[in-house]
Formats: sequence, structure tokens, C-alpha cells
Amino acid sequence: ETGVTQSPTHLIKTRGQQVTLRCSSQSGHNTVSWYQQALGQGPQFIFQYYREEENGRGNFPPRFSGLQFPNYSSELNVNALELDDSALYLCASSPRVTGELFFGEGSRLTVL
Amino acid sequence: SQQGEEDPQALSIQEGENATMNCSYKTSINNLQWYRQNSGRGLVHLILIRSNEREKHSGRLRVTLDTSKKSSSLLITASRAADTASYFCATDGTDSWGKLQFGAGTQVVVTP
Repeated sequence: ETGVTQSPTHLIKTRGQQVTLRCSSQSGHNTVSWYQQALGQGPQFIFQYYREEENGRGNFPPRFSGLQFPNYSSELNVNALELDDSALYLCASSPRVTGELFFGEGSRLTVL
Repeated sequence: SQQGEEDPQALSIQEGENATMNCSYKTSINNLQWYRQNSGRGLVHLILIRSNEREKHSGRLRVTLDTSKKSSSLLITASRAADTASYFCATDGTDSWGKLQFGAGTQVVVTP
């Protein structure tokens, strides 16, 4: 157990809808990163939040957005869902910007 | 795009045998990490090796790093059925501090 919890664990949406995924970081961790993992692929970096500010972004369009709250929990929002957004979304927290990541179990999103 | 590439893509061995997998990457790194993922679940950190280190051990794991060849290897000794999982290398680049770039992974199956 890493102490990182994600919700929901599974969800199904239709193309064009919007989704919000949530992540509670491990106690004492001020950095949260989000990754997208398509089936059979490695995780792809979406963005990182450090002390409520975005601290780097991967190659994802602006319809992927996020927030980090004062308690360091985080949200990932995806607007105008596309079929290719179907994936496992992983949240990871860490006590610093770099180093070991502690992953949650992920939220599996299916877009129909 | 993936930073690293793992080789082989899949590996099938018997309990007690050693498992070796390799990772190649493209850019300069601060550190390289190995993670394990059980079937569609969250990733678990195994080991981190810094760019100025050449070898590191943790229990039955041995990791080597050759920055001149931009490659790393992970050796699991005396494999157990419970080692069945996908293994990913992830690089923390000097120009992308804290934003891990994962490879596509090696799927390891250990049969009793």
C-alpha cells in the first residue's frame, strides 16, 4: 500500500463528455503527478503539481487540466472526451519534485 | 513518445531462474528508476540509480547503469511465481526534472 488513493476506480463515458478524476496523496507529499497508460503501453506523463502550481506538462492538449488543493490532493479533468482517451489514469505522489514516485491503483476510463 | 525501450518485450522463465531485462534511453538523465506493475494495477517502485552510480542492489534485484551507452539492466535473481508482472524503466531527464519518461515495459512470466 502506497497511501495514494484514486477515485473512481472504473468509469464509462461517451465521446464529448467531461470527466473528473481524483487523487489523495500520501501524507507529507507535496508533489502530485498524473500519467496516462494505454493498454499495452508504458505510462505517459500528463503533468505535475507542486504546492498547488503546475510544474511541468507533457504532450497533452489543453482539454487535459488539473488542480492541486491546499491539502495536496489533486484532480485531473478531461473535457470533450475522445475514444483515444480510454486508458488507465495513474496518480503518483512524492515528497519532492524528483525521485521515487508512489502510485495509486489508477482510474480506468472507457470512452464509448 | 517513449523515452526508453525495454528489451525483451516478454520473458518467460521457471522459478529459481534469473530474469534479466534491459532498458535503453535517449537523453541525459539525473536518475533511472525501475517499477513493477501487476496486471493493470498501480506501479510499485523497485529501485533508483543515480547518473553517477554504476550498480545498485536491493534484495534479489541488481541494477546496472551505463551512461556512455545510455542503457540499464535489471536482474532478478532466483525468480518466484510472485515476480510475474510487467517491469518498466523510467528516466528522470536533466531537461525534464521530475517528469518521468517510461518505456513500454517487459512482461515477465515466472512458472512454478
